[in-house]
Amino acid sequence: EAQVTQNPRYLITVTGKKLTVTCSQNMNHEYMSWYRQDPGLGLRQIYYSMNVEVTDKGDVPEGYKVSRKEKRNFPLILESPSPNQTSLYFCASRDSRGEQFFGPGTRLTVL
Amino acid sequence: QKEVEQDPGPLSVPEGAIVSLNCTYSNSAFQYFMWYRQYSRKGPELLMYTYSSGNKEDGRFTAQVDKSSKYISLFIRDSQPSDSATYLCALRKGTDSWGKLQFGAGTQVVVTP
Repeated sequence: EAQVTQNPRYLITVTGKKLTVTCSQNMNHEYMSWYRQDPGLGLRQIYYSMNVEVTDKGDVPEGYKVSRKEKRNFPLILESPSPNQTSLYFCASRDSRGEQFFGPGTRLTVL
Repeated sequence: QKEVEQDPGPLSVPEGAIVSLNCTYSNSAFQYFMWYRQYSRKGPELLMYTYSSGNKEDGRFTAQVDKSSKYISLFIRDSQPSDSATYLCALRKGTDSWGKLQFGAGTQVVVTP
């Protein structure tokens, strides 16, 4: 089944404790991205990657890092999480037509 | 001012009614228009994808684009309780399929039996 997977689905952590949210897609898509979704603000892009080893900032990159060492994986790293990063996070990959496929989401709470 | 405006709702309708959703945008550079459906605790899934002005129909769903007014709509006919979800519009500029998607905030729809 073609899909985007994320782990973990739910995470509660404390301020300053480094964490990584993994993302993997099995559709051989070159383009992948991370979004956060907050009430009233909709989906905002954090980072995107157009191919292996090619990443760039989206609209809200502060406090986040990404890497793209393999085509299928695109982890999101929070080196020192803060409470304002409490949000619902989505990984997505896009095909050559521009159709975007989203993962199931990761709900992060930073205390 | 946001580039894409969408009423957050909630929009509550009885089963069988027509649901009408819309987004307005300010930049004429947007050329591709999409509607996503997002169920609670799930990721968004693509419903409709259109480029040109006019109507596009898929089953009970009709997407309408009016580029001159910078206004897009989604209509759901014969609505069902399973249509209860948040609907997000998404727009993309130019002809580059890698261009950034700009999302509306989403409209919550509740279809009551």
